[in-house]
Amino acid sequence: GAGVSQSPRYKVAKRGQDVALRCDPISGHVSLFWYQQALGQGPEFLTYFQNEAQLDKSGLPSDRFFAERPEGSVSTLKIQRTQQEDSAVYLCASSLLGVSDTGELFFGEGSRLTVL
Amino acid sequence: AQSVAQPEDQVNVAEGNPLTVKCTYSVSGNPYLFWYVQYPNRGLQFLLKYITGDNLVKGSYGFEAEFNKSQTSFHLKKPSALVSDSALYFCAVRGPPPNRDDKIIFGKGTRLHILP
Repeated sequence: GAGVSQSPRYKVAKRGQDVALRCDPISGHVSLFWYQQALGQGPEFLTYFQNEAQLDKSGLPSDRFFAERPEGSVSTLKIQRTQQEDSAVYLCASSLLGVSDTGELFFGEGSRLTVL
Repeated sequence: AQSVAQPEDQVNVAEGNPLTVKCTYSVSGNPYLFWYVQYPNRGLQFLLKYITGDNLVKGSYGFEAEFNKSQTSFHLKKPSALVSDSALYFCAVRGPPPNRDDKIIFGKGTRLHILP
């Protein structure tokens, strides 16, 4: 596609529900990143994929958070047993190259999660 | 680990005046530095980057940034502000290869208000 696409754009979940957020990166982009952006804050790194390999998941806040990219393209961020503190905008970004890349990230518009 | 600081939550500038948005960083070795802009209800957009070479880099929409190694700064500048420049600006840093941490770390953001 022309850009990074994320769905759903908005999600309201009751506390304790599981949610899944989808990211379609730009076709052919090797790297994919997930960030969490709380209101009034900068994006906080969650996890990073190079193709299907999850090379860094150090930013995932708890074991309730899980991300996958099984075929090296579409990625899903899953949050189990959602809590109110999980309310945020979840941003996905892709980049053309891998570890030698000096280029910029291309961001989707984000998925806004509200946990009641 | 790398980090980036944006000391100003908000910057107000009159239209037509020069603007500066401040950023300082901390990283081992020579950093890769970026500026991104976020308009309301839009994804983050790349503005410019510094990898190596000339300390003054030029980017989109007439913005430029100056890399200052001694002061560990990468301030964003524009000679003449436009009302349409009003947005949220993020500075970001990535460590250099070969042993770098591939995640890109963002500052908390600076809201730029251009007053007509």
